[in-house]
Amino acid sequence: QSALTQPPSASGSPGQSVTISCTGTSSDVGGYKHVSWYQQHPGKAPKLMIYEVTKRPSGVPDRFSGSKSGNTASLTVSGLQAEDEADYYCSSYAGSNNLVFGGGTKLTVL
Amino acid sequence: QLQLQESGPGLVKASETLSLTCTVSGGSISRSSYYWGWIRQPLGKGLEWIGSIFYSGSTYYNPSLKSRVTISVDTSKNQFSLKLSSVTAADTAVYYCARLGSVFGVIIPHFDYWGQGTLVTVSS
Repeated sequence: QSALTQPPSASGSPGQSVTISCTGTSSDVGGYKHVSWYQQHPGKAPKLMIYEVTKRPSGVPDRFSGSKSGNTASLTVSGLQAEDEADYYCSSYAGSNNLVFGGGTKLTVL
Repeated sequence: QLQLQESGPGLVKASETLSLTCTVSGGSISRSSYYWGWIRQPLGKGLEWIGSIFYSGSTYYNPSLKSRVTISVDTSKNQFSLKLSSVTAADTAVYYCARLGSVFGVIIPHFDYWGQGTLVTVSS
């Protein structure tokens, strides 16, 4: 299984919206509803932000939303805030109880 | 509040076996509602799923690491462990343990609780 493809970087100004893509194949992203997104600040453990493509865990602001079309999933952060600056990783179920992560996207709040 | 804590040597010699333990507190590792997993992250790089285990001992491994990985569970100590054999410099990484969900023994593949991570360096 190959890593999912994410852009290495993304940026936006405070208050703006930014979308991060995550491209896989029909064997992972396109084939299952189990796409999740994680936020990781420097030196910290990842934090679950989105699961099952669109669902938010309790406590995650509704500024974070997820979607999927075909083999590409997306994370949108609306109303950007300074604390949203972090690395973001997507993950997908890849069949046979396997999981695969994306390479990560560094989000910069300008 | 559920907490996970990784422990083990921070330095391992090349060709030897890396061994880490994850201690779970604030909840039972034996609940059928959860799987438990290991993920690693080379410094400055992305996340890589290593494998997952159910309290019954059922395991699933990343195909790229399967030949070198063993994950086990000790329900009496509320712990699960990782062994990675024949390590090289490429195995130097921060290793995380984390929790996944389960419904009727079927894995729900996202990690909702994570340990803080532990850096393991492979030396030559």
